[in-house]
Amino acid sequence: AQSVSQHNHHVILSEAASLELGCNYSYGGTVNLFWYVQYPGQHLQLLLKYFSGDPLVKGIKGFEAEFIKSKFSFNLRKPSVQWSDTAEYFCAVNQGYKLSFGAGTTVTVRA
Amino acid sequence: DTAVSQTPKYLVTQMGNDKSIKCEQNLGHDTMYWYKQDSKKFLKIMFSYNNKELIINETVPNRFSPKSPDKAHLNLHINSLELGDSAVYFCASSPPGASTDTQYFGPGTRLTVL
Repeated sequence: AQSVSQHNHHVILSEAASLELGCNYSYGGTVNLFWYVQYPGQHLQLLLKYFSGDPLVKGIKGFEAEFIKSKFSFNLRKPSVQWSDTAEYFCAVNQGYKLSFGAGTTVTVRA
Repeated sequence: DTAVSQTPKYLVTQMGNDKSIKCEQNLGHDTMYWYKQDSKKFLKIMFSYNNKELIINETVPNRFSPKSPDKAHLNLHINSLELGDSAVYFCASSPPGASTDTQYFGPGTRLTVL
């Protein structure tokens, strides 16, 4: 079965700091990879996705992620975070119709 | 315009009751989903319907019964509610012809069972 691991449960950082969230998956075949964000009290929104092509994908709000096939990883990065980036971040992998989520990483940005 | 909408937003009820959550999408998508997010924020798929046909049923108790009257609606009925059913339930949909494409989520329904 597909599994998705997010390395960090809770990350606390100051504004302007750089952010990197790790994500690894267990499926060896072709995958579609996603990062979703859930702001406090809101629904999930797509940050970015990777289907094929350039392994470095850029998303909304200055986020980017790099797909490294050999490491089964899809890490999320942002060079300089803002207070408004405080949210829950979910990595997800699509296997057919089924989207498997990681456990999520809570990111708290201190002003 | 709301893309994926759910009603109600909050639902508080007693153990043993039966309740329904409704979901509608106006994106023209063929596939719809129900997810459960527990108190630790963990998201797990429950059901998926494609063109009104059930395609995923993830070992959910049969107290939970999804119903899709048409492609734009996927409702979730829960019988004999239990304390452990307390969670946030998210509906989602994805475009036709691409099972692996992006899923669009509704605002969630926070269910509290007392």
